[in-house]
Amino acid sequence: GQNIDQPTEMTATEGAIVQINCTYQTSGFNGLFWYQQHAGEAPTFLSYNVLDGLEEKGRFSSFLSRSKGYSYLLLKELQMKDSASYLCASGMDSNYQLIWGAGTKLIIKP
Amino acid sequence: DTEVTQTPKHLVMGMTNKKSLKCEQHMGHRAMYWYKQKAKKPPELMFVYSYEKLSINESVPSRFSPECPNSSLLNLHLHALQPEDSALYLCASSQGPNSEQYFGPGTRLTVT
Repeated sequence: GQNIDQPTEMTATEGAIVQINCTYQTSGFNGLFWYQQHAGEAPTFLSYNVLDGLEEKGRFSSFLSRSKGYSYLLLKELQMKDSASYLCASGMDSNYQLIWGAGTKLIIKP
Repeated sequence: DTEVTQTPKHLVMGMTNKKSLKCEQHMGHRAMYWYKQKAKKPPELMFVYSYEKLSINESVPSRFSPECPNSSLLNLHLHALQPEDSALYLCASSQGPNSEQYFGPGTRLTVT
């Protein structure tokens, strides 16, 4: 079957670091996407990992371990505007479809 | 330019109405998507067009009818919708399979 798990909600403090985990069990796995979605808005692409390791983009980094079926999104120097839902999604084979996680709602407190 | 545009932003329609949602992208992407998203849920794929041909139809009811007039435009024709069809309808585009998808701002649809 196809399954992606991520925590429902997380809370962190402004200026701190937070790690959002995503585990997946998907056949024909072909990369892991992270999207950010503010309430009432469209998802925005953050990162894509297809090889094992860490990809860094400014305050955001994403990690993938294919052997463990595991990814995380690391957000540093948190700002209030980072309050949003973060969705991980698995690509499959050479397919247009993505398997989406339910999303993690991140709440940033001052 | 990584912009996907959608019109209208908001739409209220009765169950007997016919309306259309429109989407446009000028990134030269060859794949375009329609998604439906309910509150606190991930996007749910409805249709995929690849090179202007319908590639995927996720068993969507016939009251939703997609159309791809050219490589930049995507429409979703709506007819005889039900109140449970009320949702955020998102259009997206990508270079190809397993490429990042760029989403438009969405149309907030309410069926009364």
